Amino acid sequence: DTAVSQTPKYLVTQMGNDKSIKCEQNLGHDTMYWYKQDSKKFLKIMFSYNNKELIINETVPNRFSPKSPDKAHLNLHINSLELGDSAVYFCASSQPGQGDLNYGYTFGSGTRLTVV
Amino acid sequence: GQNIDQPTEMTATEGAIVQINCTYQTSGFNGLFWYQQHAGEAPTFLSYNVLDGLEEKGRFSSFLSRSKGYSYLLLKELQMKDSASYLCAVTDSNYQLIWGAGTKLIIKP
Repeated sequence: DTAVSQTPKYLVTQMGNDKSIKCEQNLGHDTMYWYKQDSKKFLKIMFSYNNKELIINETVPNRFSPKSPDKAHLNLHINSLELGDSAVYFCASSQPGQGDLNYGYTFGSGTRLTVV
Repeated sequence: GQNIDQPTEMTATEGAIVQINCTYQTSGFNGLFWYQQHAGEAPTFLSYNVLDGLEEKGRFSSFLSRSKGYSYLLLKELQMKDSASYLCAVTDSNYQLIWGAGTKLIIKP
C-alpha cells in the first residue's frame, strides 16, 4: 500500500533516555516533515526536509534531530527525554508544486510518546 | 505574526447541517486546507481552496474568501462518524503550512 508509515505507534520511556521514531514514505514525495501535536491538539511543525534542505523550527530543542538516510526516510531522534516531550508525533510527506497541492500532506498514523 | 482562528468546539445533531468557520492572518497565501482528525488518528485530507468560491465534494463543501481571510467547511446530512476534529491550515508564501488548533465537532443523535 502507498502510505506514510511510522513506528512505533506507542512509546513509553523514562526521563533521560534516548529514543528514535522511524518514518518511511513510498509516495515518491520530495519533502518530509515531523510534527508534534500536544495535549491542546495544536499541530506544530518541527522539521521539514527534502534532499536539498533541512528547515528547523527554531523553537525545537536541539535534543531533537532528524536523520534522513535517503529520500524515502526521515527518522526522529530524541536525546535526554523530558516529561514535556510527551505528545503525539506525526510524520508527513508532500510533493510541493502547483499541481500537487490539491492533495495536501499525507500523514503517518502517529507515535504517542509518553515520558515517565 | 501568523494566526489561524477557529472555534474550539461545536455540537450538532445527526442529519443536520453544520458550518465550521476559519479566519486567518498569514504572510502570503498559497491555499487553504481542511483536514479531518478522529481521536487518536492521523489527520486526513478533506479539501483544498486556492481561489475564492465554493468547492463541493459530496456531503462536504469548503468556501474561501481571500479578501476577508475567511473560510468555512460545510457538512451536510451529518452522520455520527463525522464526530471528529476539523483542522484548518493555510499555506503561506514559503509554502509552509500554518495550522489552526482544530474544531472538535460533537454529533448528537
